[in-house]
Amino acid sequence: QQKVQQSPESLTVSEGAMASLNCTFSDRSSDNFRWYRQHSGKGLEVLVSIFSDGEKEEGSFTAHLNRASLHVFLHIREPQPSDSALYLCAVSNGANTGKLTFGHGTILRVHP
Amino acid sequence: GPKVLQIPSHQIIDMGQMVTLNCDPVSNHLYFYWYKQILGQQMEFLVNFYNGKVMEKSKLFKDQFSVERPDGSYFTLKIQPTALEDSAVYFCASSFDNYEQYFGPGTRLTVL
Repeated sequence: QQKVQQSPESLTVSEGAMASLNCTFSDRSSDNFRWYRQHSGKGLEVLVSIFSDGEKEEGSFTAHLNRASLHVFLHIREPQPSDSALYLCAVSNGANTGKLTFGHGTILRVHP
Repeated sequence: GPKVLQIPSHQIIDMGQMVTLNCDPVSNHLYFYWYKQILGQQMEFLVNFYNGKVMEKSKLFKDQFSVERPDGSYFTLKIQPTALEDSAVYFCASSFDNYEQYFGPGTRLTVL
């Protein structure tokens, strides 16, 4: 059964400093990885999806997937206070299932 | 981006009663999902639904749960009868291709 873990549980950075979040997964056949963001009381906002090893950039968000080491990272370039939120990693095994397995999330706080 | 709506945002009911949670998915989407998040825990997959049928469900999707999308309107999750452990935030999601899922803001269900 797929296990997804995120670290750190919470992260505080200053405005403009790079923020890096980590996600590990257990099923090597996983081929579908997403980072979502959730502001308090709101729904999930998809930030970046990645399907193959390497990097994928969407605006200020870059996902880095290394399937061999079972890691997918999210780097946030020049974060702003409005980026303070819960960041969730979600993993699935492709279009046949659509079932996403989520981590517990990392709470990011960006100080002005 | 595409918006998924959920009605109501909060629902409080007595144990044993029936409850229906409503999801208004993105208009041209074909795949629909429910996830459950108990306070302080990670979001967990309940069920996905396509072409009028349940495609996959998890162990959390008890016999008391049912889903439907009558006449292409709301996608609903019905719980009958409810139990105390059903208290959680329920998130609906929809997708055009079973890859990119767009989430609603959630319905907070409290069972007393």
